[in-house]
Amino acid sequence: AQTVTQSQPEMSVQEAETVTLSCTYDTSESDYYLFWYKQPPSRQMILVIRQEAYKQQNATENRFSVNFQKAAKSFSLKISDSQLGDAAMYFCAYRSFQGGSEKLVFGKGMKLTVNP
Amino acid sequence: DAGVIQSPRHEVTEMGQEVTLRCKPISGHNSLFWYRQTMMRGLELLIYFNNNVPIDDSGMPEDRFSAKMPNASFSTLKIQPSEPRDSAVYFCASSPRLAGGPDTQYFGPGTRLTVL
Repeated sequence: AQTVTQSQPEMSVQEAETVTLSCTYDTSESDYYLFWYKQPPSRQMILVIRQEAYKQQNATENRFSVNFQKAAKSFSLKISDSQLGDAAMYFCAYRSFQGGSEKLVFGKGMKLTVNP
Repeated sequence: DAGVIQSPRHEVTEMGQEVTLRCKPISGHNSLFWYRQTMMRGLELLIYFNNNVPIDDSGMPEDRFSAKMPNASFSTLKIQPSEPRDSAVYFCASSPRLAGGPDTQYFGPGTRLTVL
């Protein structure tokens, strides 16, 4: 079974600085999808960014970008120019491509604090 | 677009009572997911439906839990009888099930369930 590990339970960053959140996963599959979700205090789960494993190019969405290292099974999220609104729990998630399964497997999450 | 709608947002009940959580997916989405979030276990998939048919219910903890999707715009998660260990935030999510796509899941705001 696939597993997702977020080894850092908490991180903090100064406003306007850059922070990198780490995520590793374990799978025997060659094709899959990876996601980062954000959960602010409102509890709403919000998609931040997604990456298809067959794409070599790292995904970017405005201030958010990923460093996808397929061989190392690593999927880190970089937040540039951090803003107070970025403070939230961040979850890394894996989705299998094969077998038609749509199941998302989530990491335990990481709490990001943004200091003014 | 109204997004995924869940009701109630908060539910407090006593042990032994029946609890029904409701979800309206995004119009046009044909996959629906129920997740449970607790501090101890994180986010877990309970069950998901595709075209109103249950596809994977391996995450349903026990027979006290049941889920239905009578039509494309409505699903329920029922717990009968409820127990204190069922206290958690329950999320509903939906996805469009695009052919060949990453099928991003869009989450509702969650229902915080407290069983006394």
